[in-house]
Amino acid sequence: SYVLTQPPSVSVAPGKTARITCGGNNIGSKSVHWYQQKPGQAPVLVIYFDSDRPSGIPERFSGSNSGNTATLTISRVEAGDEVDYYCQVWDSRNDPVVFGGGTKLTVL
Amino acid sequence: QVRLQESGPGLVKPSETLSLTCTVSGGSVSSGTYYWSWIRQPPGKGLEWIGYIYYSGTTNYNPSLKSRVTISLDTSKNQFSLRLSSVTAADTAVYYCARGIPILLWGQGTLVTVSS
Repeated sequence: SYVLTQPPSVSVAPGKTARITCGGNNIGSKSVHWYQQKPGQAPVLVIYFDSDRPSGIPERFSGSNSGNTATLTISRVEAGDEVDYYCQVWDSRNDPVVFGGGTKLTVL
Repeated sequence: QVRLQESGPGLVKPSETLSLTCTVSGGSVSSGTYYWSWIRQPPGKGLEWIGYIYYSGTTNYNPSLKSRVTISLDTSKNQFSLRLSSVTAADTAVYYCARGIPILLWGQGTLVTVSS
């Protein structure tokens, strides 16, 4: 089955740009969604279909997808961004939905 | 607005069947073209998709759980349900119900512990 690989952790200084990757075989041909999860809460969708942003999500959050890597980019990182992030893909009705293992963002 | 609420036993014995229900309020499980999913998260670990049921009744399950999972829709009660058989301690997790792919709407989650 399809596997998504995320780094367990990413560190970034406040005000800088964080990039969280999601690797998968030819992931650029699939649609990737990103979720943010704060402790004790349900995940929240922050990017969908590679680069679209739901209403209410700051413009600091952006996404890209090409080749074997999708990337969630968080600009001007704030302390409140220090939580877990998950990528997700789903090809079609006959395919399983797949989550990446998650990345914990640490703000130094 | 539409809300999802999980309900069911918080403690299940090993080898028994875990049963959870997701009640949909403010909307209908049979309207629109939504996928209604179950997702779980073991303590301290990542998200695992369990499966979904389409508003038409079509299901799709995680291959690693497929032999033990059943997801059903009850339009009369505006609910969808999860049954996971032959549970072990590895099935201990927070279980979420959710709507859509990508998922814009989640339930708050319910912790299910498998223990004798």
